[in-house]
Amino acid sequence: DIQMTQSPSSVSASVGDRVTITCRASQDISRWLAWYQQKPGKAPKLLISAALSLQNGVPSRFSASGSGTDFTLTISGLQPEDFATYYCHQAKSFPLTFGGGTIVEIK
Amino acid sequence: QIHLVQSGAEVKKPGASVKVSCEASGYTLTELPLHWVRQAPGKGLEWMGGFGPGADEPVYAQNLQGRITMTEDTSTNTALLELSGLTSEDTAIYFCATLNWNDDYWGQGTLVTVSS
Repeated sequence: DIQMTQSPSSVSASVGDRVTITCRASQDISRWLAWYQQKPGKAPKLLISAALSLQNGVPSRFSASGSGTDFTLTISGLQPEDFATYYCHQAKSFPLTFGGGTIVEIK
Repeated sequence: QIHLVQSGAEVKKPGASVKVSCEASGYTLTELPLHWVRQAPGKGLEWMGGFGPGADEPVYAQNLQGRITMTEDTSTNTALLELSGLTSEDTAIYFCATLNWNDDYWGQGTLVTVSS
């Protein structure tokens, strides 16, 4: 199974800050990686697919990069609505797996 | 417009089984394979099983093998998840989802509580 390790597990930040979340795969997944945002009581929302492609409607302050085993999600200029939990997700092979999540909290 | 609407919350006793349904509208299930993902209280997302592209049979997470069954009723365009041998560890919100990067849709979630 491909293990996905996210860091940090939580980060405290202020509105306007830049936040970077990393995700490491236990083996090469090329660009078979997605990033999801989840708010309390809601289903996850797809932000990024294929490691770096922004989904329609997602603000451009979100960006992502990486391939192989190391990936990052960056939020440039954190907005109040960005406080949420973020998950990476590999779709390279079954079983599909998610990272443990990163909680972005208000400082 | 595509929607996935799940059945309501369930409370089950340990050892029982639960069935959760996911009715799709705006497309037919065979067009977009469905997956099931669960989330225990305060925890992360766990993939339970799903259909690969073009697959007739679902693939299940190894830790659920023997207890999980995923089926699709094409007459009602509804996916069904059945989980047997419930323990308190199965208390979670269960989501159906397409997990498709071009068409990523999720149900609203179904809370399953296992308690004696």
